[in-house]
Amino acid sequence: AQSVTQPDIHITVSEGASLELRCNYSYGATPYLFWYVQSPGQGLQLLLKYFSGDTLVQGIKGFEAEFKRSQSSFNLRKPSVHWSDAAEYFCAVAGASGTYKYIFGTGTRLKVLA
Amino acid sequence: DAGVIQSPRHEVTEMGQEVTLRCKPISGHDYLFWYRQTMMRGLELLIYFNNNVPIDDSGMPEDRFSAKMPNASFSTLKIQPSEPRDSAVYFCASTLGGGAGTQYFGPGTRLLVL
Repeated sequence: AQSVTQPDIHITVSEGASLELRCNYSYGATPYLFWYVQSPGQGLQLLLKYFSGDTLVQGIKGFEAEFKRSQSSFNLRKPSVHWSDAAEYFCAVAGASGTYKYIFGTGTRLKVLA
Repeated sequence: DAGVIQSPRHEVTEMGQEVTLRCKPISGHDYLFWYRQTMMRGLELLIYFNNNVPIDDSGMPEDRFSAKMPNASFSTLKIQPSEPRDSAVYFCASTLGGGAGTQYFGPGTRLLVL
């Protein structure tokens, strides 16, 4: 079955600390992978996406993610977190073979301590 | 571009009433998606359209839910009759080309059914 797992429901980090949010997927075909961010009361905004090629992708707001096929993972990282990064982060997978249905993870809520 | 527009932003209604949620996708986008977000179930795809035609409605929970897209710039999601368990945030998203295309989300409609 196709699925996306975000094992951390909540993460708290201090401002300036590094961040890694985990995402594991189960998908039969070659996946397209995405990270979205949702600020309180807002819709989802795309941070970055991976389709093919370089497995380290850069996104907006200083985020990056690395695709590791052997581990079925697509973890999101940021070297230094800012207070404005506090939000909920969603990993998603879509099929590269023509299906347009995203499968979202359950999200990780990030809290940033001043 | 104004982005994806949803109305109303908030809706409070009583059980049994009809609820209509509205969405205006980004101009030129040919795919439109309706999602529901709840604490218990996360973000679920309800239905999506391509060129105004419903492609996959397998996520629509019950016959009480219906969606239409009469033209390229307007879609509705209707719940009739509404029930308290329909309380959720409903998002509309649009994309060009589907699949690998970035889905742009609206701000959502927060629905409370009493």
